[in-house]
Amino acid sequence: EVQLVESGGGLVQPGGSLRLSCVASGFTFSTYWMHWVRQAPGEGLMWVSRINGDSDGTNYADSVKGRFTVSRDNAKNTLYLQMNSLRAEDTAIYYCARGVYGSGTHDHWGQGTLVTVSS
Amino acid sequence: DIQMTQSPSSLSASVEDRVTITCRASQSISSYLNWYQQKPGKAPKLLIYAASSLQSGVPSRFSGSGSGTDYTLTISSLQAEDFATYYCQQSYSIPQTFGQGTRVEIK
Repeated sequence: EVQLVESGGGLVQPGGSLRLSCVASGFTFSTYWMHWVRQAPGEGLMWVSRINGDSDGTNYADSVKGRFTVSRDNAKNTLYLQMNSLRAEDTAIYYCARGVYGSGTHDHWGQGTLVTVSS
Repeated sequence: DIQMTQSPSSLSASVEDRVTITCRASQSISSYLNWYQQKPGKAPKLLIYAASSLQSGVPSRFSGSGSGTDYTLTISSLQAEDFATYYCQQSYSIPQTFGQGTRVEIK
């Protein structure tokens, strides 16, 4: 069974940093693109970032480019999102999702972790 | 960026009703269109991928169609467990973008 479990969320002050983790199980992690998607309170879904299996391909939404860094450790089956220079508008539930090769479809999602940016 | 516009934003329907949600892309996305269902407090769940392919385990009352810029999600006979918010997503180009969502409520 595919499982994705996020952690690392919490309350952080504007300008601060946070690192999210997503531990994967039930599939060959190293062969899949992985994505981060976020959802602000009461709002819709917004794609944040993706990384390929070899970590040599990454993409970001313009709103987080230069502040967020996606990475992965295939030996630990873990996806990361390093978030720096956080802003109030980054407040959201952050989901990790598995990407289907060739289609970009997100076929499995974690339960999400809440990031709150506030003073 | 490709803009995805869903309609309606919300709808009220009764059990066993036929429900249709549409999604329009700002440019052709060549059927790289996916549909997700989200219930309150839960993660999104994939229903339909590549415009018309049913994800494994999803009931057959859900179906998708469309091409080019215009796509449709249909629920042939709405069930109690289908009351949720539905999102379309284009995976044709980066950044991937979602529609604003359609909330399906009980009439």
